[in-house]
Amino acid sequence: AQSVTQPDIHITVSEGASLELRCNYSYGATPYLFWYVQSPGQGLQLLLKYFSGDTLVQGIKGFEAEFKRSQSSFNLRKPSVHWSDAAEYFCAVDSSGTYKYIFGTGTRLKVLA
Amino acid sequence: DAGVTQSPTHLIKTRGQQVTLRCSPISGHKSVSWYQQVLGQGPQFIFQYYEKEERGRGNFPDRFSARQFPNYSSELNVNALLLGDSALYLCASSPNSYEQYFGPGTRLTVT
Repeated sequence: AQSVTQPDIHITVSEGASLELRCNYSYGATPYLFWYVQSPGQGLQLLLKYFSGDTLVQGIKGFEAEFKRSQSSFNLRKPSVHWSDAAEYFCAVDSSGTYKYIFGTGTRLKVLA
Repeated sequence: DAGVTQSPTHLIKTRGQQVTLRCSPISGHKSVSWYQQVLGQGPQFIFQYYEKEERGRGNFPDRFSARQFPNYSSELNVNALLLGDSALYLCASSPNSYEQYFGPGTRLTVT
């Protein structure tokens, strides 16, 4: 069965530090990959997506993610975290053609001033 | 441009009751999907509709149903509510099925 794993439930970083959130997926072919951010009580905002091509994708708010086929990973990175980045981050997979997203369980990011 | 809108924002229901949630997609988007997000978990796919036709259904009981109207808005209905149906219900619209844009959600509490 297809699955998405976000191994880190909580991550705490200091403001200005770099960030990497991990995402691994289980799927035979190359799926479409997404990262979303959710602030408390809010819906999901799309940060970035990967369909094909360049494996390093740039998103909004200074985020980027790298697709690594050999590791079945799509990790999210940011060089310098801001206090406003504190939120929950979800990795999602769309196994093309099925029209439904499979989400990971999320990583809650806390930013220390 | 207006994003995906959902109504109501919050509601409280009693076990056994029925509930209808509403969603208006982004203008020009013909596809609407529904997700259930239980506290502390990622969203789980319930339905997708495209051009008023059901295109996909997740692993949810028949108590859950949905429909899409000619203006592409959508309703999600849940009958015989259980305590476990308490969740944030998210609607997403899509221009092409691959990119989904989510609304703020409806918080349902079943007591």
